[in-house]
Amino acid sequence: AQSVTQLGSHVSVSEGALVLLRCNYSSSVPPYLFWYVQYPNQGLQLLLKYTSAATLVKGINGFEAEFKKSETSFHLTKPSAHMSDAAEYFCAAVMGTGKLIFGQGTTLQVKP
Amino acid sequence: DAGVIQSPRHEVTEMGQEVTLRCKPISGHDYLFWYRQTMMRGLELLIYFNNNVPIDDSGMPEDRFSAKMPNASFSTLKIQPSEPRDSAVYFCASTSGTDYYEQYFGPGTRLTVT
Repeated sequence: AQSVTQLGSHVSVSEGALVLLRCNYSSSVPPYLFWYVQYPNQGLQLLLKYTSAATLVKGINGFEAEFKKSETSFHLTKPSAHMSDAAEYFCAAVMGTGKLIFGQGTTLQVKP
Repeated sequence: DAGVIQSPRHEVTEMGQEVTLRCKPISGHDYLFWYRQTMMRGLELLIYFNNNVPIDDSGMPEDRFSAKMPNASFSTLKIQPSEPRDSAVYFCASTSGTDYYEQYFGPGTRLTVT
């Protein structure tokens, strides 16, 4: 079955440290890929998207993600974490069904 | 733009009662989606509309759930009768056909069924 897997339901980093949130998808055809962020008591906001153009995608708030077909991955990174980055992050993909399929989410904690 | 508007933001009801959740999509968007978010199952697509017509309701859990979109600016998700296992956060999202996968989410309705 087509799926999106986020490794690690909780990630904790210190302020200023590198943020790395992992996402893998299962599909024989490269899908469209997305990262969304959800702040407490809010809806999801689009951070960035990959739609078969450049494999390194830059998004808002200093985040970027790299599509690696050989690894079926789309990991999200940010060089230096800020306290305001604390939130839940969702990886999502559009595959054969044409619907957005979401991963289970990763909660990012940023410690001072 | 006000974004996607959902009401109520919180709903607490007793088992067996009817619950109606409301959504106003972004003006000009012709797709509307209803999602449910729970700890156990994550984010699930329940149903989506295109130009007010339901396209895919395969995610609707059972007949107790129904959704309507009487016009381009309003949609409802109804649960009748409600059960404790329906407790979740329900999100509405909208987008336009030109960028179908870039969906804009509302703030959600947190439903608690006791």
